Parts: sequence; structure tokens; C-alpha cells
Amino acid sequence: NAGVTQTPKFQVLKTGQSMTLQCAQDMNHNSMYWYRQDPGMGLRLIYYSASEGTTDKGEVPNGYNVSRLNKREFSLRLESAAPSQTSVYFCASSEGVGAGGYTFGSGTRLTVV
Amino acid sequence: AQSVTQLGSHVSVSEGALVLLRCNYSSSVPPYLFWYVQYPNQGLQLLLKYTSAATLVKGINGFEAEFKKSETSFHLTKPSAHMSDAAEYFCAVTNYGGSQGNLIFGKGTKLSVKP
Repeated sequence: NAGVTQTPKFQVLKTGQSMTLQCAQDMNHNSMYWYRQDPGMGLRLIYYSASEGTTDKGEVPNGYNVSRLNKREFSLRLESAAPSQTSVYFCASSEGVGAGGYTFGSGTRLTVV
Repeated sequence: AQSVTQLGSHVSVSEGALVLLRCNYSSSVPPYLFWYVQYPNQGLQLLLKYTSAATLVKGINGFEAEFKKSETSFHLTKPSAHMSDAAEYFCAVTNYGGSQGNLIFGKGTKLSVKP
């Protein structure tokens, strides 16, 4: 009954450091997504993967890379963290375009100092 | 192209009062519509969804929403607000193309409940 699992839950980075946010889903969903949430900005799509083997840029992809490792896992990498990347990051998954909607993870709160 | 507009970034009601959160959408095809709730320091949780089976949809925690095609609206209501309803609420519509993934989200409405 795990749904979407994100790790870590909290992280503090120094400017210039790199890190990878991990996301895994156990619902056999085809599509996976990475969002960032900032006060007053709503949810902004960073990257998404419509199906295993494909990834596409969303609204705010600069400074990020992603890997769809397999059908279950979709990771987000910050190669050289900047203070502007301080945010809460959410991973989500869905079967595809249709009535199922998204299932969200609980989020990663990232602070870059 | 599909889009979602949530009217009012902040709504404040008194405990026991009616909750009304507004959502208007545009879609060139019959849409699927969703409301999500986000409690402080948590992820988004599905509150209810419209999938064309019935225009009045009931969700968790006493919330409901009515799909009105003529008004392109999907407003969220609850007859009597409770302190525990304080959260941020997001409306979303299915996206059938473009680079926004499979759902397009509104900007969110933060609900405050006064004692």
C-alpha cells in the first residue's frame, strides 16, 4: 500500500553540490512526473516521463536532469545546486491520460545554502 | 488546449459556514476533472474526481463538486466548514496534448477556517 515513495524527505545542500532525488511507485503506472512547489507559484512541472524509456521537459527544466530507470523509478538530479532551487519537490505517477488522476509522493523539502 | 482557473488564491470562512472554492476550466474535449487537497507539510491527496458518470460528485470529508458544462465550472463545496479543512486546494483537468503532462493544475486556493 506504499503508492509513491520519495527519498529523502529533507535535504540541505551547499551551493554547487549535486544530489539525486529518488522516486518509486508500486502501482504499475506508465507515467511519472516531477514538480516543484514554491509559495504563491502553485505546482510547476519540471520533467515528466510519459512511459518507460521517454522523458520530456516541463515548464521549468533548467538546472535539472531526470532518469527513468525502469517502469517503477524516476529520479531527479541537481548537478550544481543553486539557492533558487530551494523548494519542495513532489513526484507523482499516473496510468496515463484518463480518469485515474495522479498519485503524489509526500515530498522532499530541499534547502540550498 | 486545456486550462484551469481557480478564482481566489485565499478564501477565509468561519467554522460552520459554507465553503465554496471556484474552478473554471477550458477543454476542447469532454474533460475529466479533479480536486486535490494539500494539508500543511504534506503531499497532494485526491479529494474527488469527475469522470462523466454523474455531474454531482461526492468526495472525502464531506466535500462535493458539481460539473456544469454550460458554465465550464467545477466548484468545490462543503456545507459546514471545520477547522480541519484548513488546507490548500487544487483543481485539475486532463490534458490531451502539449508539454504539461497528463493533468493541468490550477494555481491553488488556500482555505483558512476561523473559529
